[in-house]
Amino acid sequence: AQKVTQAQTEISVVEKEDVTLDCVYETRDTTYYLFWYKQPPSGELVFLIRRNSFDEQNEISGRYSWNFQKSTSSFNFTITASQVVDSAVYFCALSEARETSGSRLTFGEGTQLTVNP
Amino acid sequence: DAGVIQSPRHEVTEMGQEVTLRCKPISGHDYLFWYRQTMMRGLELLIYFNNNVPIDDSGMPEDRFSAKMPNASFSTLKIQPSEPRDSAVYFCASSLRQSYNEQFFGPGTRLTVL
Repeated sequence: AQKVTQAQTEISVVEKEDVTLDCVYETRDTTYYLFWYKQPPSGELVFLIRRNSFDEQNEISGRYSWNFQKSTSSFNFTITASQVVDSAVYFCALSEARETSGSRLTFGEGTQLTVNP
Repeated sequence: DAGVIQSPRHEVTEMGQEVTLRCKPISGHDYLFWYRQTMMRGLELLIYFNNNVPIDDSGMPEDRFSAKMPNASFSTLKIQPSEPRDSAVYFCASSLRQSYNEQFFGPGTRLTVL
């Protein structure tokens, strides 16, 4: 069975601080996909990034960066120079490669990030 | 292109009433997912469809819940009879077939059962 754990329930930082959101996953598959979604106060779920299990290169997109370490089964998300608009709940998710399941996702519990001015 | 469309956005009903939530997936997407989000349980997958056929409904909480997908562009989630504990935000999402494809979520329906 697959599982995603986001141990940090809530994080509060002051604007311009860097913040890292942790994600640890469990799966028996060798091929799988990891995702991060953002849920701002307005409620919608917004896709941020996808990473496949064969690609351990870190990725940077503006102030966002992701660190995928297969050895520790972690896929952490860092926001550099945080801004108030980054305040949201962030979800990590896992999709196993199955012909009949499409992109069925297992979500973590989410981390509520609050960035204070 | 339009994203996933859900209606209504908000629904307030009384216990015992029937509730029907609607979803229009993104055109061309093979998979449709229904989720429920609550503070206590987080995001739960209720059921998902592939090419209009239900694949896994193990997340449907009780027989009071049912879902249909009569065609590729429409799905419903029905609760009959509704109970206060069904109060939650219900999301519909769709994706292309491959498991590496991200799911695109609708705006959600906030259901309140009094």
